[in-house]
Amino acid sequence: QVQLQESGPGLVKPSQTLSLTCTVSGGSISSGSYYWSWIRQPAGKGLEWIGRIYTSGSTNYNPSLKSRVTISVDTSKNQFSLKLSSVTAADTAVYYCARVSEDTAWGMDVWGQGTTVTVSS
Amino acid sequence: EIVLTQSPATLSLSPGERATLSCRASQSVSSYLAWYQQKPGQAPRLLIYDASNRATGIPARFSGSGSGTDFTLTISSLEPEDFAVYYCQQRSNWPPRFTFGPGTKVDIK
Repeated sequence: QVQLQESGPGLVKPSQTLSLTCTVSGGSISSGSYYWSWIRQPAGKGLEWIGRIYTSGSTNYNPSLKSRVTISVDTSKNQFSLKLSSVTAADTAVYYCARVSEDTAWGMDVWGQGTTVTVSS
Repeated sequence: EIVLTQSPATLSLSPGERATLSCRASQSVSSYLAWYQQKPGQAPRLLIYDASNRATGIPARFSGSGSGTDFTLTISSLEPEDFAVYYCQQRSNWPPRFTFGPGTKVDIK
């Protein structure tokens, strides 16, 4: 079964760029009808969708973050990545990667365990 | 921009009771609505997609209904493992994006 695992620095300084990678195992990132998405959750708060990418490279972003977000895919490594620039303390959150599947009417059916990113000097 | 509102914010019930959670959209989302369960320290889990379809492995006590702007997640008889936070989520085709509701916490009375 497909599993997702986030990785990246747990601490980022203000104004710098947050970079995370999601590694897909148990299946090819290129197979099937899937988008690959990033979602975040500040401590004690709700979920915020960041954006998604198709394996063709086509992307869609949350308008509130669009100016700072880049999502990319590396099919050779079975990974997709998130870059969020000019971070502030408000970007401190648990970041999840997830698979968005046509089989579930584009529901997020597989999630990584999440990785905590703290923005602090 | 479509805004999702969930009610109540907190639902206090006992095991065995029926839980009814509401999600309302600021404009029609057709049937493009999903429900997720999240337990402390865990990632969300997809329960329901397309308003009323249970995801793989989800027990039959979970059911979803609704279309347009008003949706309901029903847990017919609460099990101890069902006490968690539940989020609804809509997808729009244009502009392509996803939006989550603020969540309903189901806790033990």
